Amino acid sequence: DIQMTQSPPSLSASVGDRVTITCRASQGVNKYLNWYQHKPGKAPMLLIYSTSSLQSGVPSRFSGSGSGTNFTLTISNLQPEDFATYYCQQSYSSFAFGPGTTVTIK
Amino acid sequence: QVQLQQWGAGLLKPSETLSLTCAVYGGSFSGFSWTWIRRPPGKGLEYIGEINHSGSIHSNPSLKSRVTISLDTSKNQFSLELSSVTAADTAVYYCARRVIQILNGNWFDPWGQGALVTVSS
Repeated sequence: DIQMTQSPPSLSASVGDRVTITCRASQGVNKYLNWYQHKPGKAPMLLIYSTSSLQSGVPSRFSGSGSGTNFTLTISNLQPEDFATYYCQQSYSSFAFGPGTTVTIK
Repeated sequence: QVQLQQWGAGLLKPSETLSLTCAVYGGSFSGFSWTWIRRPPGKGLEYIGEINHSGSIHSNPSLKSRVTISLDTSKNQFSLELSSVTAADTAVYYCARRVIQILNGNWFDPWGQGALVTVSS
């Protein structure tokens, strides 16, 4: 089974900051890597699919990159509504999720 | 815009059967797989299983023997049953649509609002 890790587990940032979250797969997942945002009490929301494709309606300050085993989610110009937990998920083999990265207000 | 709304019993005793239903509004069942995912407290997201529009089912091997997923196309609903629950099954349960694109892979979108299920004696 493919295992997913994320770093850091949590981070503290200020509005306007540029934030980068890393996701690593235990084996190559090609480009089949997705990112989700999850706020408490709400449904998780797809941000990016297939490594770098922005889901319709998602602000352009969110971007994704990477390939193989190493991927990043970048939030440029962090906004108050971006404080949430972010999960990566591979769809190359079954559907493993990363453990999440929580972005909190500094 | 497709929306998912889910419901089901929130408090169960050990050995009982968890039952959740998810209604699909604004979209068709065809061409997608309909999925259940859970998040135990303090842990990450775990794929439970799914059913496609043809009724084919795929489940997480760790839960497969206890999972039943069904589809009611006449009501645009799909359901999850998880038998013989224990405290380890306490989690927020989500329904979601799995979108499949040949060149881009697949992903879950949208998700239901989630339902907390607590197993306690």
